[in-house]
Amino acid sequence: GAVVSQHPSRVICKSGTSVKIECRSLDFQATTMFWYRQFPKQSLMLMATSNEGSKATYEQGVEKDKFLINHASLTLSTLTVTSAHPEDSSFYICSAARDPLGDEQFFGPGTRLTVL
Amino acid sequence: AQSVTQPDIHITVSEGASLELRCNYSYGATPYLFWYVQSPGQGLQLLLKYFSGDTLVQGIKGFEAEFKRSQSSFNLRKPSVHWSDAAEYFCAVGGRSGGGADGLTFGKGTHLIIQP
Repeated sequence: GAVVSQHPSRVICKSGTSVKIECRSLDFQATTMFWYRQFPKQSLMLMATSNEGSKATYEQGVEKDKFLINHASLTLSTLTVTSAHPEDSSFYICSAARDPLGDEQFFGPGTRLTVL
Repeated sequence: AQSVTQPDIHITVSEGASLELRCNYSYGATPYLFWYVQSPGQGLQLLLKYFSGDTLVQGIKGFEAEFKRSQSSFNLRKPSVHWSDAAEYFCAVGGRSGGGADGLTFGKGTHLIIQP
C-alpha cells in the first residue's frame, strides 16, 4: 500500500506554454501533499505544501503565480507551471502524507520537465 | 530554521567493505529523520526512518542508522556494500506542526561509488 503516482513522467514543452502535472495517492487518502523540485545533480527543495480544500502554502522564493497548485480531493493534487521557460526545466516530485497519521511521506516517481 | 548537512559529497567504497554516510541535522522540535536512496533519473526510495523509540533503526537492503540526539546526527551504515548500492543518498528531516506532517528538508546528498 501507500503508492503515489505522477503523470506525466516526462514532458517537453515550448517556452511560454503551461504544463500540468498530476500527483495521485492511489490507495490512501492524503490530506496533505507536497511538491518538491530537484535540479540536475542537486538535492530536493520543498516548493509548497498542498492541503485538500485550501490554498497551498509556498516556500520562500517560490512564485505562487507561476507554480499553481490545486488540491481538489483527498487523492489528487496538481501542479501547473504557467508560462514555462527553460529555467523551469527540472525534476518535479510530489509526496503525500497518509491521513490520519501524517508522519511519513510517500513519494511519487517524479516528472521530468524540459522547456525548449 | 531546519537544515540537514551531509558533509561528504562523494564517497568511494570497495565492494564488500563497510559504509557509513554522515548526516547532521538542525530542527527546532522533535525531528523525524529519514534516509532515501535515488538512482539516476529515478524517484526516491525510503531506506529507513526514525520517529521515536529505539535509536538504532533497521531499514531495507541491510542498512541501519543510529539517532544520536546529543550530536544531532543520524548516520547511515551498512556492514558490507554491494555494487548495486551505488546511488545518491539523501538524509532528510521533518516533523509535525499543527495537525499534520511538515515538508521535508533534504541534505545535499552523498554520491556513493562502489569499486570492484
